[in-house]
Amino acid sequence: QKEVEQNSGPLSVPEGAIASLNCTYSDRGSQSFFWYRQYSGKSPELIMFIYSNGDKEDGRFTAQLNKASQYVSLLIRDSQPSDSATYLCAVIAVRGAQKLVFGQGTRLTINP
Amino acid sequence: GAVVSQHPSRVICKSGTSVKIECRSLDFQATTMFWYRQFPKQSLMLMATSNEGSKATYEQGVEKDKFLINHASLTLSTLTVTSAHPEDSSFYICSARHREEYWYEQFFGPGTRLTVL
Repeated sequence: QKEVEQNSGPLSVPEGAIASLNCTYSDRGSQSFFWYRQYSGKSPELIMFIYSNGDKEDGRFTAQLNKASQYVSLLIRDSQPSDSATYLCAVIAVRGAQKLVFGQGTRLTINP
Repeated sequence: GAVVSQHPSRVICKSGTSVKIECRSLDFQATTMFWYRQFPKQSLMLMATSNEGSKATYEQGVEKDKFLINHASLTLSTLTVTSAHPEDSSFYICSARHREEYWYEQFFGPGTRLTVL
């Protein structure tokens, strides 16, 4: 079982709709969760991080964390073509040197 | 603030040569730097964790004698791919963690695309 799992997609969403991205993790003791966006040929950029159960909103983005079910999701409201990218879920492992463990990423396409 | 640069951005080399990639934190001091490798359509895989003034910690399966990491100062880490072969062709990305602030966040460099002929 992979430590962090995502549906690789591709996920296609019409412009203006809500895009929903999901991620599950295996280490129940994980504490910190991150969503990165990566455009083709570029390095990842941090969109949001979340520590506590529940929702965290930042503009059009909402991260949701459910530690009991070991999943974290990212909602993108009013999707724009510029949101088309690969979204990487990452978790800070409890053990070791606080390193990030990435999921395989979900490729999202927003259709105009 | 919190800008990380990498040099070069792209390199093409012949098989058997060595390639050095620099990672610099431009406006902050980084206690820890990380080196990742990303193959096409795959996620980032951590290669090693580098702390200033000490030996790097390599992930399982990463050859430390092939991927030499030096973290000589709080703003510079280098990755040298020794005797590169075509299978080493990949996108190499570094990240840095701020010394004092944003302990949870890694700031990523723009990446270096290595092509070994």
